[in-house]
Amino acid sequence: KQEVTQIPAALSVPEGENLVLNCSFTDSAIYNLQWFRQDPGKGLTSLLLIQSSQREQTSGRLNASLDKSSGRSTLYIAASQPGDSATYLCAVSRAGKSTFGDGTTLTVKP
Amino acid sequence: GAVVSQHPSRVICKSGTSVKIECRSLDFQATTMFWYRQFPKQSLMLMATSNEGSKATYEQGVEKDKFLINHASLTLSTLTVTSAHPEDSSFYICSANPGGETQYFGPGTRLLVL
Repeated sequence: KQEVTQIPAALSVPEGENLVLNCSFTDSAIYNLQWFRQDPGKGLTSLLLIQSSQREQTSGRLNASLDKSSGRSTLYIAASQPGDSATYLCAVSRAGKSTFGDGTTLTVKP
Repeated sequence: GAVVSQHPSRVICKSGTSVKIECRSLDFQATTMFWYRQFPKQSLMLMATSNEGSKATYEQGVEKDKFLINHASLTLSTLTVTSAHPEDSSFYICSANPGGETQYFGPGTRLLVL
């Protein structure tokens, strides 16, 4: 059974810092890995999707990497802003189903 | 890009009533849709796989008689929470698969049972 772990569970940083969120999964037989953002009481916003054959994806200040063989992914956020405060979820997909981690709750202080 | 909608976005109901949540793929056909549930301060857990024209497949621990799933067309799946109780209060999200492995998530439905 696939298990997804995200570390840390919570992170608080001052504005402007670069930061890394970690995601690990136990079964490397995945089709893709996706990072989502979830604001309190809201749905999911897809940030980056990495296919299993890819190593990384970038969008603006966000960069996600994938090392499928070791079962790890990182989400790098550059020059963090208070608006980045949210919960970040990692999900791996196989056969159309997604398994989610518990998320990292990020707080960026002005 | 592909869009998945859910209706309603938020619902409040009394204990004992049934609530229907719709998941629609707006610009593609989806033979398979998935229903997830998220309790407060927890992550999303897969509840069931909805297959067009056949019975849904439920994950272990999910009561199929309580959470009725109907996938009557290639663009619509419905989840009915029967005889809802306060412990069913949760955030329900669907995803739709247009083929292959890619799936698109709906915006979610927040259910509060009083």
